[in-house]
Amino acid sequence: EAGVTQSPTHLIKTRGQQATLRCSPISGHTSVYWYQQALGLGLQFLLWYDEGEERNRGNFPPRFSGRQFPNYSSELNVNALELEDSALYLCASSLDRGGYNEQFFGPGTRLTVL
Amino acid sequence: AQRVTQPEKLLSVFKGAPVELKCNYSYSGSPELFWYVQYSRQRLQLLLRHISRESIKGFTADLNKGETSFHLKKPFAQEEDSAMYYCALSGGYGGATNKLIFGTGTLLAVQP
Repeated sequence: EAGVTQSPTHLIKTRGQQATLRCSPISGHTSVYWYQQALGLGLQFLLWYDEGEERNRGNFPPRFSGRQFPNYSSELNVNALELEDSALYLCASSLDRGGYNEQFFGPGTRLTVL
Repeated sequence: AQRVTQPEKLLSVFKGAPVELKCNYSYSGSPELFWYVQYSRQRLQLLLRHISRESIKGFTADLNKGETSFHLKKPFAQEEDSAMYYCALSGGYGGATNKLIFGTGTLLAVQP
């Protein structure tokens, strides 16, 4: 069974630009989560999508947004990039059967903002 | 505030020595606690969760609600245990509580 996939592996942008990161969940998983892993800050929850809707949002500004498509894949968009947005962005997916369901993580997208 | 604290950035032990990775949490309610592990060049993966009370790869973790701790232990470390370990909590069942709150991680280095 294929795991969670993310693209691109690396992304280099300049300050003020927009970045789009993509995630494909494990087949059958309906929930997608986004996390940011910035240097020295650990993994921080960004967004949770399930069945095409945003279910929960972390403490990030509105320029971090995303969406989930009918096939349950997801995009994370970061507008007006700032230097501190440089980080590893991890996507995870899970079933949604009620209760906590194990989250399976992708390899991440390394975003560098110059 | 919801918080997970892992006080040690690096823990270095010799092969065969006992290991204890510390994790303390702050959460008002009944959280679920987890340990995730990331081996070199691999993706983050679940090691164990408190609710299942399993022993995975010789590791165990007991939830101590009085001390709000969830320390990870193994009696005899192996070189293949060298990895980054993250403690995490989730706010319990369903709804808007599925997000994971992670600690900053502890790098375990097992010396031969």
